[in-house]
Amino acid sequence: DIQMTQSPSSLSASVGDRVTIACRASQTIGSYLHWYQHKPGKAPKLLIYAASSLQSGVPSRFSGSGSGTDFTLTISSLQPGDFATYYCQQSYISLLSFGGGTKVEIK
Amino acid sequence: QVHLQESGPGLVKPSETLSLTCTVSGYSLSSAHYWDWIRQPPGKGLEWIGSIYHSGNTYYKPSLKSRVTLSVDTSKNQFSLKLISVTAADTAVYYCAGHAYAAAVDYWGQGALVTVSS
Repeated sequence: DIQMTQSPSSLSASVGDRVTIACRASQTIGSYLHWYQHKPGKAPKLLIYAASSLQSGVPSRFSGSGSGTDFTLTISSLQPGDFATYYCQQSYISLLSFGGGTKVEIK
Repeated sequence: QVHLQESGPGLVKPSETLSLTCTVSGYSLSSAHYWDWIRQPPGKGLEWIGSIYHSGNTYYKPSLKSRVTLSVDTSKNQFSLKLISVTAADTAVYYCAGHAYAAAVDYWGQGALVTVSS
């Protein structure tokens, strides 16, 4: 199976900051990489699919980039509602896998 | 609008079997989606357990494969998870979900907490 590694595992940031989260796959996965936002008590929310496509209804301050093994989620200007845990996930093979998560906390 | 709802016991004894069912409304299980179980243990990240297609084809996380069985009942528009020989490490919020082939998970249930304890 494919291992997904996210960094950092947590970060502290202020409203308005630019935030970047990295995700690395243990083998090439093309652009079969997706990003989710997860808040306590709620289902994960799809933000970015196919590495860089913005899911309908998601604010444009969220963007994704990368292909192959290295990917990035960027929040251009952090808003109060963005404090959450973010996960990457690959669908290159039918055995899906998630990264370990990045918790974005208030500084 | 597609809605997924998990149901099943919230408390399971160690060594017993965890059983959950996901009822899907607003979308036919016979359509071109794979149906997933994903869990989150307390304080930990999301873990994919397995996926099933309406044909019955299944895919399991290798480390759980010996204990997991997924099934689908298209007549009831439901799919199910059975996890045998549970331990405290299987305590988690269990989500049923769905994704198109090679795509992102775009349908999620609200999640069901299952605690393994005597």
